[in-house]
Amino acid sequence: DAGVTQSPTHLIKTRGQQVTLRCSPKSGHDTVSWYQQALGQGPQFIFQYYEEEERQRGNFPDRFSGHQFPNYSSELNVNALLLGDSALYLCASSLWQGEETQYFGPGTRLLVL
Amino acid sequence: DQQVKQNSPSLSVQEGRISILNCDYTNSMFDYFLWYKKYPAEGPTFLISISSIKDKNEDGRFTVFLNKSAKHLSLHIVPSQPGDSAVYFCAAPDSGGYNKLIFGAGTRLAVHP
Repeated sequence: DAGVTQSPTHLIKTRGQQVTLRCSPKSGHDTVSWYQQALGQGPQFIFQYYEEEERQRGNFPDRFSGHQFPNYSSELNVNALLLGDSALYLCASSLWQGEETQYFGPGTRLLVL
Repeated sequence: DQQVKQNSPSLSVQEGRISILNCDYTNSMFDYFLWYKKYPAEGPTFLISISSIKDKNEDGRFTVFLNKSAKHLSLHIVPSQPGDSAVYFCAAPDSGGYNKLIFGAGTRLAVHP
């Protein structure tokens, strides 16, 4: 049973570019949340998807957007990249109802130059 | 506004001794807390949790203590092993539910022989 998978593992972009990160949830899970972990900090909640809709959003600008597909996989898109967007992006999956813990993927490390 | 704080960025402990990792929170509405462990190049892994109706929860070598009046919790690892060397995050679900976690900045634990 595969856990949460993310792709790519590493990515280098330049300022102003756009990036798309991908996540496949753990088998049986229907909810995907995205977090940004800057260096030396804890993960910060970006947003959460369930039934292909954004259900909750953290304090992130509209440059950050997402999508969830019918198979529950998800994408995180970031437009007009800034140097400060350099971070580890973590995807977490869970069940919308009743799951008290989230399962995290290994993350995608994004470097913006 | 940091609602979950881990004020010790790092901790060094000798193998076999006790490791105590601390976490403070400011939001008195938090009623559930989790500890995650993170190794390099991996996503955070759930370790142990505690509900606010308890003051202690134990799982093998790991025990979490909760002091609601002080808004403080701690994770005890006894005995510490070199494989416990990792970054430990304290987290609490936001009012939006268990899928939206607020994390502390983490404490890097190094267990040396």
